Amino acid sequence: EAQVTQNPRYLITVTGKKLTVTCSQNMNHEYMSWYRQDPGLGLRQIYYSMNVEVTDKGDVPEGYKVSRKEKRNFPLILESPSPNQTSLYFCASRTRVGETQYFGPGTRLLVL
Amino acid sequence: SQQGEEDPQALSIQEGENATMNCSYKTSINNLQWYRQNSGRGLVHLILIRSNEREKHSGRLRVTLDTSKKSSSLLITASRAADTASYFCATVQYNNNDMRFGAGTRLTVKP
Repeated sequence: EAQVTQNPRYLITVTGKKLTVTCSQNMNHEYMSWYRQDPGLGLRQIYYSMNVEVTDKGDVPEGYKVSRKEKRNFPLILESPSPNQTSLYFCASRTRVGETQYFGPGTRLLVL
Repeated sequence: SQQGEEDPQALSIQEGENATMNCSYKTSINNLQWYRQNSGRGLVHLILIRSNEREKHSGRLRVTLDTSKKSSSLLITASRAADTASYFCATVQYNNNDMRFGAGTRLTVKP
């Protein structure tokens, strides 16, 4: 089944404790993105990647890192999480610019 | 920054009625897409309309695009309780990897 998976689905952590949210897609998509969703703000892009070893900042990259060592995986790293990073995070992938995007199920993060 | 802005923010209708949601955007686009999100879950793609198209249909969904007014509408006909969800428009600009989402319309369909 074609899908985007994320882990963990729910995470409670404390300020400053490094964490990684994994994302994997099995559709051989070149483009992958990370979004955060906050009430009233819609989805805002954090980082995106156009291919292996090619990443770029989105609208809200501060406090986040990503890597794209393999085509299928695009982990999101929070080196030192802060409470303002409490949010619902989505990973997404697509074949190329502008086409339909496939979303993961989301990761709900609470930073205390 | 957001590109698309949906209107209304929330819509409540009875089962069987039609639901219309609007999306306005600011800059020229390559295409516009509509997505649906059930509470707290991942977004699901509904329909994509390109800048040279004016109308598209998919089942009970009808999407229009007016590039002169920089606006789009999503019509759901004969709504069902299962259509209760949030609906987002997303715009894609030319030669740009950005897909910009609006804040969404929360649709409630009462049985």
